[in-house]
Amino acid sequence: EAEVAQSPRYKITEKSQAVAFWCDPISGHATLYWYRQILGQGPELLVQFQDESVVDDSQLPKDRFSAERLKGVDSTLKIQPAELGDSAMYLCASSSRDRGGYGYTFGSGTRLTVV
Amino acid sequence: GQQLNQSPQSMFIQEGEDVSMNCTSSSIFNTWLWYKQDPGEGPVLLIALYKAGELTSNGRLTAQFGITRKDSFLNISASIPSDVGIYFCAGQLFAGGGADGLTFGKGTHLIIQP
Repeated sequence: EAEVAQSPRYKITEKSQAVAFWCDPISGHATLYWYRQILGQGPELLVQFQDESVVDDSQLPKDRFSAERLKGVDSTLKIQPAELGDSAMYLCASSSRDRGGYGYTFGSGTRLTVV
Repeated sequence: GQQLNQSPQSMFIQEGEDVSMNCTSSSIFNTWLWYKQDPGEGPVLLIALYKAGELTSNGRLTAQFGITRKDSFLNISASIPSDVGIYFCAGQLFAGGGADGLTFGKGTHLIIQP
């Protein structure tokens, strides 16, 4: 079964350092999403890509977060500088262009701890 | 950001009992989704609902899309130990030009006592 790949699974970083997460969506999925999930909460959307273009980054803290999907395939989410409050699970998901729910698949996430 | 109102927050039940949880929103969605998340993993889709009033089953799971498009419920019949986990509802606007991001509830933590 096709999967959304994310790496690393776990990351510990010091406050004020830079950190990056990588996501490889299911082959052929045009839409890619990055979510942040704080412990005890549901995931919240950070950014949505359609192919290589950002279509929604209204909830992305742009002073420190950036996301790119240069060739419309894999994507990188970066935080610089990291703050203690950024400790969370970062989830990537992808969906095919013409599907709603059934085409929407999450990766296993990257657990970030900022110390 | 917005999160949907999901209840209950947690449930302690006996194995074999039925479970019911629900989700409400102040705004309408045209898709409702139910996910299960195990510790340290991403959410896994259980059921997707696309039409107001739709009732859909997946094994022991049954979910309904509310008529007002502002609510949904999930029932689990005859619970078993592997049903333990956190269940999330999510609403989505799907405008046809592409799927929008999901708005999630805060989750229902299901704990089953054998």
